[in-house]
Amino acid sequence: GAGVSQSPSNKVTEKGKDVELRCDPISGHTALYWYRQSLGQGLEFLIYFQGNSAPDKSGLPSDRFSAERTGGSVSTLTIQRTQQEDSAVYLCASSLERNGYTFGSGTRLTVV
Amino acid sequence: AQSVTQPDIHITVSEGASLELRCNYSYGATPYLFWYVQSPGQGLQLLLKYFSGDTLVQGIKGFEAEFKRSQSSFNLRKPSVHWSDAAEYFCAVGSTGGFKTIFGAGTRLFVKA
Repeated sequence: GAGVSQSPSNKVTEKGKDVELRCDPISGHTALYWYRQSLGQGLEFLIYFQGNSAPDKSGLPSDRFSAERTGGSVSTLTIQRTQQEDSAVYLCASSLERNGYTFGSGTRLTVV
Repeated sequence: AQSVTQPDIHITVSEGASLELRCNYSYGATPYLFWYVQSPGQGLQLLLKYFSGDTLVQGIKGFEAEFKRSQSSFNLRKPSVHWSDAAEYFCAVGSTGGFKTIFGAGTRLFVKA
């Protein structure tokens, strides 16, 4: 597509429920990244994919967080047993080589 | 490990005045450096990037940044600020060995009439 698409744009969930966040990168972009932006904070790196593999998962906050990418395209970030501290905007970006990222508009997650 | 420091949490400038946003990085080799802007309610947009070569790089919207290796800095500048420049600005550093990019905490720019 023309840009990076994320869905849903907003998600309100109850504490303890699982959520799935989707990212559809720019066609042909081999690298895909997930970041988290909490209120008033910078961007916290979560994970990145090169193709379907994830060379760097170092930013995932706990084992409740997981991500996968299929077909070198769409990625899903899953948060199990959500907690209130998981509330944030989850940003996805894609890139071709190291030309800088193109970001999606994000998914605003609110855990109540 | 890479790190990025943006010393100013927020800055206020008058419309038409010049702007400089500071960024210091820590990285053992020549880094890839970026500035992104996040306007209210908008996603992040790449302003400019430095990989190698000329240390003064030009970006979109009239912004420029200068890489100074001796000072480990990559400050963003604009000669005349417009009200539409009010936004949050993020400096970022990427490693040459991989694709991971680390972002600073951001500097919020306010523009007064």
